[in-house]
Amino acid sequence: DSGVTQTPKHLITATGQRVTLRCSPRSGDLSVYWYQQSLDQGLQFLIQYYNGEERAKGNILERFSAQQFPDLHSELNLSSLELGDSALYFCASSVGTPGGGYTFGSGTRLTVV
Amino acid sequence: AQSVTQLGSHVSVSEGALVLLRCNYSSSVPPYLFWYVQYPNQGLQLLLKYTTGATLVKGINGFEAEFKKSETSFHLTKPSAHMSDAAEYFCAVNNQGGKLIFGQGTELSVKP
Repeated sequence: DSGVTQTPKHLITATGQRVTLRCSPRSGDLSVYWYQQSLDQGLQFLIQYYNGEERAKGNILERFSAQQFPDLHSELNLSSLELGDSALYFCASSVGTPGGGYTFGSGTRLTVV
Repeated sequence: AQSVTQLGSHVSVSEGALVLLRCNYSSSVPPYLFWYVQYPNQGLQLLLKYTTGATLVKGINGFEAEFKKSETSFHLTKPSAHMSDAAEYFCAVNNQGGKLIFGQGTELSVKP
């Protein structure tokens, strides 16, 4: 157990639907990062939050949004889902210092049918 | 802009043989460098990292990596491969701005 908890582990949904992925960071970590992993794109950085505020944005689609709550857990919302959104979505957390590295959760596998 | 290039998407070695996974980076500032391992159906686990100081970094499971600034490389090695080392390995760079940039990954196969 890495200390980063992601739920659900698996999600199957239809095109056009909306889903919410949840992440609880490791105790003491203030930064949360979301990544998308697919076979063709590899690991793509989506967005970072630090202590409730958006810190950095990557290749995140406008249909996707995220937030970090006062208790530091984070949610990634994916809407108007398309087949191409099928992927593994990882959450990672860190204390926020660049040299610290990240601790990853086990991911949520999203399948859009 | 930062980037990471991992040479070879698939590497196959025999059990007991040397493991060498190559990683080259591009960064305009002194980088922080990382190697992560991903086993099937699992998240990424930190193997080792270079921040400052000694350029030869030792990690978990017998892996080590050497930071060579002149070659902009951070290759991962292990003297003797074990069947349990079969996994996907990712090199990553952080430019002090917070986010990690990952390479495309190298899948390591270990033959008995």
